[in-house]
Amino acid sequence: EVQLVESGGGLVQPGGSLRLSCVASGYSFSTYSMNWLRQAPGKGLEWLSYITSSSSAIYYADSVKGRFTISRDNAKDSLYLQMNSLRVEDTAVYYCARDKKAPDYWGQGTLVTVSS
Amino acid sequence: QAGLTQPPSVSKALRQTATLTCTGNSNNVGNQGAAWLQQHQGHPPKLLSDRNNNRPSGISERFSASRSGNTASLTITGLQPEDEADYYCSTWDSSLSVRVFGGGTKLTVL
Repeated sequence: EVQLVESGGGLVQPGGSLRLSCVASGYSFSTYSMNWLRQAPGKGLEWLSYITSSSSAIYYADSVKGRFTISRDNAKDSLYLQMNSLRVEDTAVYYCARDKKAPDYWGQGTLVTVSS
Repeated sequence: QAGLTQPPSVSKALRQTATLTCTGNSNNVGNQGAAWLQQHQGHPPKLLSDRNNNRPSGISERFSASRSGNTASLTITGLQPEDEADYYCSTWDSSLSVRVFGGGTKLTVL
């Protein structure tokens, strides 16, 4: 069974940093691309970043480009999102999702709250 | 980054058929197709159909996806109470090199 478990969310002040992690199990992590996405309270889904299986290609949404960095460690079956210069509008549930012609498996999400 | 366009809400009666639409352009829906996801309140999204209109294992045949030009559609037949949820379309935009989402359609089953 494919499982994705996010962690690392919490309360942070504007301008602060957080590092999210996503641990995968139940499939060969190293052979799939991955995504980070988020959903602000009461809002729709927003894609943030994509990384290929070997990290050879990485893409970002304009809203996070230059502030967030996606990475992965295939030896640890783990995906990461380093978030810097956080803003109030970054408050959301953050999801990691496997990519197979679409984000096909999603984690349960981790809540990030940016507030003073 | 421009997203895909979905109607905010659709209401249909129990056991009827609902067709949800998703409009993009030639750089996204028109050449990539669109995936469809279902999200119930308080839960993560679940993939219903990938961009090639294939249903993942375990997804009911009542859900079917199609595309015509720059518009993708999700048809749900025999509506059930559990189909009441938010539905999102999504695809890759080959011009912008980003994944785009529609704003979501809230489906109400009367």
